[in-house]
Amino acid sequence: QITLKESGPALLEPTQTLTLTCSFSGFSLSTNGLAVGWIRQSPEKALEWLALIYWDDDKRYSSSLKNRLTITKDTSKNQVVLTMTSVDPTDSGTYYCARRSWGGLDTWFEPWGQGLLVTVAS
Amino acid sequence: DIQMTQSPSSLSASIGDTITITCRASQIIDTYVNWYKQEPGKAPRLLIYGASRLQGGDPSRISASGSGTDFTLTISSLQSEDFASYYCQQSYKTPYTFGHGTKVEI
Repeated sequence: QITLKESGPALLEPTQTLTLTCSFSGFSLSTNGLAVGWIRQSPEKALEWLALIYWDDDKRYSSSLKNRLTITKDTSKNQVVLTMTSVDPTDSGTYYCARRSWGGLDTWFEPWGQGLLVTVAS
Repeated sequence: DIQMTQSPSSLSASIGDTITITCRASQIIDTYVNWYKQEPGKAPRLLIYGASRLQGGDPSRISASGSGTDFTLTISSLQSEDFASYYCQQSYKTPYTFGHGTKVEI
């Protein structure tokens, strides 16, 4: 069974750095073709893809947030960490991590973690 | 970035109805579209990948189609468990992008 779970702070103040950890089981991020991504959902319910890290440590970032994001992995711990610098209230929302799977040329996110609600407020 | 324009943003339907949700990409993306379903208080889950391939375990009354820039998700014989939100996502290239979602209400 494949599971992912997000952890991190529930409340942050503006300008702080957000560090989120995705802990997963049921697969290894050293497996060829696999990746883990982060997606957030605003209070208005829009989904926004943030970042992706591949089995070979290649990384991809959201165009609008790439200057503030860093994604890393610890394969031995089955964890992926996302850091976001200089948060502000518009970064509030639910943060999900998800496994990016593939079949042929198709790729998709499944399964997803349960999500972590993060609020940025002073 | 590729923009995904999803419509409608919400719709009201009844048990037994057929509904259609559409997604339009800002450029040609072949069949690299996924659809996700999100029930209240839960994480999204994959419904359709590759524009038309139904995820295992989902009923055959759910179907999807499209290629290029225009994609549709159709749910026939609407059941109570279908009242949820649905999102399209392009997997053609990063940065991945999602549609803004469609909330299906009774």
